[in-house]
Amino acid sequence: KNEVEQSPQNLTAQEGEFITINCSYSVGISALHWLQQHPGGGIVSLFMLSSGKKKHGRLIATINIQEKHSSLHITASHPRDSAVYICAVRDTGNQFYFGTGTSLTVIP
Amino acid sequence: NAGVTQTPKFRVLKTGQSMTLLCAQDMNHEYMYWYRQDPGMGLRLIHYSVGEGTTAKGEVPDGYNVSRLKKQNFLLGLESAAPSQTSVYFCASRGQGQGNEAFFGQGTRLTVV
Repeated sequence: KNEVEQSPQNLTAQEGEFITINCSYSVGISALHWLQQHPGGGIVSLFMLSSGKKKHGRLIATINIQEKHSSLHITASHPRDSAVYICAVRDTGNQFYFGTGTSLTVIP
Repeated sequence: NAGVTQTPKFRVLKTGQSMTLLCAQDMNHEYMYWYRQDPGMGLRLIHYSVGEGTTAKGEVPDGYNVSRLKKQNFLLGLESAAPSQTSVYFCASRGQGQGNEAFFGQGTRLTVV
């Protein structure tokens, strides 16, 4: 069972490109998280969303509750953005479900 | 990831050995979780706790035990390690209330040979 589906699984971009990662989910949620994991590193929470849109610097996250879909956008991508991006949803019972991640490589 | 600390960061065990992973958080969070991360799979929940003195099974609890004797600590134990438990283990915590973010530890890379 895959409560959370992400696409694409792998993504290579040239520095400066606009990047979009998509997440679809099938459960009722309290919140959706976008997480970042650098190779061999820990997991950092980038955004927590329950509606609408949030922006931190070059990162933008949107969610459409009716369509059960979220997107993470990176504007003016940079090699330091290279990481695995994970979509996670928290259901109404406080359990998390995770996507398998999108591996992003930004080439200088 | 200030606030959630996992120890150790790396460990190699022989099959049959036991060990305990420690997760400590200083944010007074009620909820704590242990996950394992394996290639090609999303994080899978091993056990979780909704408060001091309480624990519950997650998706993949077999071969693991946990304890939450103090609110700030959540321990994950492997009584008899198996090669199938080779994985990266992550701890997470969050406070009560729908608006609280989750915080993750840096991970523990465990190899069982």
